[in-house]
Amino acid sequence: AQSVTQLDSQVPVFEEAPVELRCNYSSSVSVYLFWYVQYPNQGLQLLLKYLSGSTLVESINGFEAEFNKSQTSFHLRKPSVHISDTAEYFCAVTYPYNQGGKLIFGQGTELSVKP
Amino acid sequence: DTAVSQTPKYLVTQMGNDKSIKCEQNLGHDTMYWYKQDSKKFLKIMFSYNNKELIINETVPNRFSPKSPDKAHLNLHINSLELGDSAVYFCASSLARAQYYGYTFGSGTRLTVV
Repeated sequence: AQSVTQLDSQVPVFEEAPVELRCNYSSSVSVYLFWYVQYPNQGLQLLLKYLSGSTLVESINGFEAEFNKSQTSFHLRKPSVHISDTAEYFCAVTYPYNQGGKLIFGQGTELSVKP
Repeated sequence: DTAVSQTPKYLVTQMGNDKSIKCEQNLGHDTMYWYKQDSKKFLKIMFSYNNKELIINETVPNRFSPKSPDKAHLNLHINSLELGDSAVYFCASSLARAQYYGYTFGSGTRLTVV
């Protein structure tokens, strides 16, 4: 069975510092991986995804994530965070030809950026 | 134009009542979902519909009944509400293979049962 573990429930950082949000998954088959962001009192927005090809994927607002098959990880990084990055971040997994398109989410990581 | 819209945004009701949450998407997607987010922000799928056909039913109590009148709408009716039903309920939609496109989420309905 698939599962996703986000290793940190809360990550406080200062503005302009680098950050890494960790995500590990468990699956016996190939997977597709996603990061979603949830700003306060809003729905989830897709941040970036890995389907195949280059293991490093980037978002339009400076986040990147690297798929590491041997470590079964998909950690999210940003070299310099802004106050506006404060949000809850969710890692999610699904697999090809998954009937119904079910996404399995991790527990979420609360990123809190302080001035 | 809101892509996935849910109504109401907030719902406060007493135990034992019956309530409905509505969801509509204007993206032309053919698959819709209901997710429950608990107080610890954990997201769990409840139902998935593809072209009005139930695809996923994740052992949700039968007090919860989804209804999809057409592929642009997926409503959630809850009978005999319990305190443990308090949560944020998210509707989402996607094209048939979500893995290629990801989901588009609504802004959520915060249900409080008192």
